[in-house]
Amino acid sequence: GAGVSQSPRYKVAKRGQDVALRCDPISGHVSLFWYQQALGQGPEFLTYFQNEAQLDKSGLPSDRFFAERPEGSVSTLKIQRTQQEDSAVYLCASSLGGLGGEQYFGPGTRLTVT
Amino acid sequence: GENVEQHPSTLSVQEGDSAVIKCTYSDSASNYFPWYKQELGKRPQLIIDIRSNVGEKKDQRIAVTLNKTAKHFSLHITETQPEDSAVYFCAALPGGGTSYGKLTFGQGTILTVHP
Repeated sequence: GAGVSQSPRYKVAKRGQDVALRCDPISGHVSLFWYQQALGQGPEFLTYFQNEAQLDKSGLPSDRFFAERPEGSVSTLKIQRTQQEDSAVYLCASSLGGLGGEQYFGPGTRLTVT
Repeated sequence: GENVEQHPSTLSVQEGDSAVIKCTYSDSASNYFPWYKQELGKRPQLIIDIRSNVGEKKDQRIAVTLNKTAKHFSLHITETQPEDSAVYFCAALPGGGTSYGKLTFGQGTILTVHP
């Protein structure tokens, strides 16, 4: 594809609902990252996949956050029992190699929890 | 873990002037330093990056300098244009171990270029 895509672009959830955010990385990219960007802040790391293996999930804020990439391409970030503090833009990025290197970002999903 | 500080938080310049944004990092093992430009509601776009084996890199009106000893790096934009107005983020990537590609970002600089 032309770049990293994410869906939906906007999501409004009522407090307590579960949400699922999708990321389609650039074809052939080994590494996939999820970041959370609060308003007026820089992106903060959530989790990292190398192919289908989740190698680092140290940034996930709580056990309500879960990410998967079962076939090593598309990834889904799931948030259970959403809270107001989960409101943010969720960015996905991919890179070609397994370590370091240029990361290409998707447009993000803006999640608003009411 | 890595900590990145970015200054200033806002920067206002006249068209044609230069703009400089500075970042410091804490982890001496960091070896990759990208700069991203993010327009309102858009994705972060990589504009330039530098690795720890070089001190300076230039791409047309944009340059980045790195001082490994002092653990700081800077973005320089010359001949600024109104379309340079955006939020700029610096980031640092630790060199190995279990850090993988975990970029740590600065807090961002809102650059406004006045025509």
